Amino acid sequence: DSGVTQTPKHLITATGQRVTLRCSPRSGDLSVYWYQQSLDQGLQFLIQYYNGEERAKGNILERFSAQQFPDLHSELNLSSLELGDSALYFCASSADGAADTQYFGPGTRLTVL
Amino acid sequence: AQTVTQSQPEMSVQEAETVTLSCTYDTSENNYYLFWYKQPPSRQMILVIRQEAYKQQNATENRFSVNFQKAAKSFSLKISDSQLGDTAMYFCAFMGTSGTYKYIFGTGTRLKVLA
Repeated sequence: DSGVTQTPKHLITATGQRVTLRCSPRSGDLSVYWYQQSLDQGLQFLIQYYNGEERAKGNILERFSAQQFPDLHSELNLSSLELGDSALYFCASSADGAADTQYFGPGTRLTVL
Repeated sequence: AQTVTQSQPEMSVQEAETVTLSCTYDTSENNYYLFWYKQPPSRQMILVIRQEAYKQQNATENRFSVNFQKAAKSFSLKISDSQLGDTAMYFCAFMGTSGTYKYIFGTGTRLKVLA
């Protein structure tokens, strides 16, 4: 158990819908990262937050957005869902968002039908 | 841009034997970090080992060790005394220190340990 929690574990929804994925970092960690693992794209970095502020952006679609709240939990919002958004979404956390090891949550499996 | 290449999509090894997984990377940075993560069928990403580029000594964690060749940009993982529980997908990851601290992952090597 890494100490990072993600909810829900599984999510099944239809095209065009909107979903919210939630992540709680390890106790004391200030930085949260979101990654997408799909069959054809592998593991891709989406976005990083540090202490409530966006720090880095990767290959995140405009239909996707994220935020980190004062209690340091983070949410990833996916809207206008397409079939290709079906993937495993991981949240990871690290202590200071710099040269730290990232600890991964169990992931949320999103299926878009 | 940095890239990470894992050229072995699948490998198998007999229980108790030793296996080496390959990883090469490309970067212009001098200081960076390299990781191996294990992803068993549960899909959880589990840290196996970490290497700082400024350290010449190869990292070791119990049965897991790396062969880090900075000049060759190579970072292989050796698993000794393989166990059935080592069956998993293994990902090599690079993290630079100038700019973002995101991970760049390789495509993974699926390892099967045979009884």
